[in-house]
Amino acid sequence: GAVVSQHPSRVICKSGTSVKIECRSLDFQATTMFWYRQFPKQSLMLMATSNEGSKATYEQGVEKDKFLINHASLTLSTLTVTSAHPEDSSFYICSARGRGGLLNTGELFFGEGSRLTVL
Amino acid sequence: GENVEQHPSTLSVQEGDSAVIKCTYSDSASNYFPWYKQELGKRPQLIIDIRSNVGEKKDQRIAVTLNKTAKHFSLHITETQPEDSAVYFCAASGGSYIPTFGRGTSLIVHP
Repeated sequence: GAVVSQHPSRVICKSGTSVKIECRSLDFQATTMFWYRQFPKQSLMLMATSNEGSKATYEQGVEKDKFLINHASLTLSTLTVTSAHPEDSSFYICSARGRGGLLNTGELFFGEGSRLTVL
Repeated sequence: GENVEQHPSTLSVQEGDSAVIKCTYSDSASNYFPWYKQELGKRPQLIIDIRSNVGEKKDQRIAVTLNKTAKHFSLHITETQPEDSAVYFCAASGGSYIPTFGRGTSLIVHP
């Protein structure tokens, strides 16, 4: 099946620094990737939708200057949390949707998630 | 936009019992309804999905039913096992396949 790899799985940073999280589709081309934020025991809150080669579409209430998303290739999307603060601490998870053939079914393939802790 | 409500938030059952999780959606244009299972510390994985042209779908111990008129769909797990313990998310999406997720149900299966 389709595999999505997310890195790093855990990151601890100081307040004010920036953190980059990578999301890669390993065996398929992902035209669309989604970035979610998940608080403990809560649902997956969509932050933004990124399409390869174009600007990301952010959900209402998500600061695009704080959460920079880049989808430069069909296999890589990155989320950069800029000037991180303790309230940004959370579990961030990406998902990808392929194109064509059996992958174009609507099924999302999730990365392993990245737990960010901002001190 | 779409709004998905999911109940219950927590479900505790004895091994061997059945478990039912229910979701409602608001957008009548939604036509794809996946269910994801997320074990503690792991990524969500699709366990079953249903499209609006089908009323029921079954895969071994898991089944999903859809009532388009009432705009609700349910996940049924029979003969539950401890390894079924996880958080289950329902979702609904339309032609864009951008799903809106429910809040999740924490299923606990006691041996």
